[in-house]
Amino acid sequence: AQSVTQLDSQVPVFEEAPVELRCNYSSSVSVYLFWYVQYPNQGLQLLLKYLSGSTLVKGINGFEAEFNKSQTSFHLRKPSVHISDTAEYFCAVMSPGSWGKLQFGAGTQVVVTP
Amino acid sequence: EPEVTQTPSHQVTQMGQEVILRCVPISNHLYFYWYRQILGQKVEFLVSFYNNEISEKSEIFDDQFSVERPDGSNFTLKIRSTKLEDSAMYFCASSEGVAGVETQYFGPGTRLLVL
Repeated sequence: AQSVTQLDSQVPVFEEAPVELRCNYSSSVSVYLFWYVQYPNQGLQLLLKYLSGSTLVKGINGFEAEFNKSQTSFHLRKPSVHISDTAEYFCAVMSPGSWGKLQFGAGTQVVVTP
Repeated sequence: EPEVTQTPSHQVTQMGQEVILRCVPISNHLYFYWYRQILGQKVEFLVSFYNNEISEKSEIFDDQFSVERPDGSNFTLKIRSTKLEDSAMYFCASSEGVAGVETQYFGPGTRLLVL
């Protein structure tokens, strides 16, 4: 069985400050890891994903994430946020060969203020 | 840019009624999915569909649920006899190949309210 834990339900941050969103997972097998973003009244959009290889993954909109196998973590970072980054962020895992079954964390609401 | 669309955006129904949620996946995609998110809870996988067959389904996806690709463009989720606990946001997604390597693209969702 797999599970995903997003440690923060809400993260307030000032514009141009850095942000880190934490994600831990548990799984008995290797997994693929994802971060999705959901802007108000929109669907989920892929920010980045880790399948294999380099543990530092760069995504869209200046986001990056680092896979840490020993700590079973996949934290998302952005060095300088914009007001437009206000959204809900979801970490997700998938087992290879699972026919696309994404298992999501509870989400972290990021609120960027001037 | 191609996108997944879903109709209706909102649906209100009475308990026990049948509902059909509609999705138009991206045109060259071959794999289709439904997820749901009950208010305040996680996004949950319901089903994946490929080559006119269910590839995988969750324990939530019981006999009250069915999926269909009735033509070359639509992908539907039917709930046969809705319950109060079916109230949720339902997301459709599609991918060009098997998801993982291939990205799942999500639609904006249908908010279903069962009264």
